[in-house]
Amino acid sequence: SSELTQDPAVSVALGQTVRITCQGDSLRNYYASWYQQKPRQAPVLVIYGNNNRPSGIPDRFSGSSSGNTASLTITGAQAGDEADYYCSSRDSKGSHVFGGGTRLTVL
Amino acid sequence: QVTLRESGPALVKPTQTLTLTCTFSGFSLTTTGMCVSWVRQPPGKALEWLARIDWDGDKYYNTSLKTRLSISKDTSKNQVVLTMTNVDPADTATYYCTRVVRQLINYYYFYIDVWGKGTTVTVSS
Repeated sequence: SSELTQDPAVSVALGQTVRITCQGDSLRNYYASWYQQKPRQAPVLVIYGNNNRPSGIPDRFSGSSSGNTASLTITGAQAGDEADYYCSSRDSKGSHVFGGGTRLTVL
Repeated sequence: QVTLRESGPALVKPTQTLTLTCTFSGFSLTTTGMCVSWVRQPPGKALEWLARIDWDGDKYYNTSLKTRLSISKDTSKNQVVLTMTNVDPADTATYYCTRVVRQLINYYYFYIDVWGKGTTVTVSS
C-alpha cells in the first residue's frame, strides 16, 4: 500500500517535546520528508531523507524512522510551531504520496 | 534564490480543461537531478501530489488521475505546464508548483524542497 497515515491532531504544552508520527508500508523502503504548513501559506520543508534538516530550519526539529513509521520530533515547542504537518514519501512506481496531515496545537 | 510562480484561470467550468503554468527561476530543468511537480490542496483538506516531470523528460502521474493529467516543460522559458481534462467541482483546490530535487542517500531520493505560493482554482458553472 502507498498510503501514509497520520494522527489528525496533536497538542503540546509550550516548551515541551512532541512527536508526530507517520505510518505506511512504503516507509520500510523509502525515505520520508516532512512539511510544515501554516494557515494560508504554502508548505515548507522541515525534514528530508528521514532525518536531515534543510538550512534555516531550527535544530529543535528532528526526524527519525523505524520499520513502517517515520517521526517528526519538535523539542521545546514554540507558539510559532503551531501548524499542520505533512509527511511524504514515494510508492513503488516512483510517485510521491502525502499523509493526511497532523494539526499541531501548542497550548 | 529558487522561486516558482503558478498562473492560470481562477474559475473553470465543469467538463472544461484546466491549464496551469509554472514559471520558475533559480534553477534549470536541464540540470541533472532537477524536477518539477504539481501538488494540490482542496479547501480544508490534505495535500495531494499530481504529477512530476524530470530533467531528462521522464514523467510521473498520480495513478488515480493519470487519465486526466498531462505535464510538459519548456526549458527555454523555464516553464512547466499541467493540463487537467474534464474538471469537476471536486477539483476545486489550491494548486502548487514545486521543485523536486534528486539526492543520493544510499539510493537516488527525490523530494520537494521549494514550493510556489499556489494558485486557487474553483470549478463551478
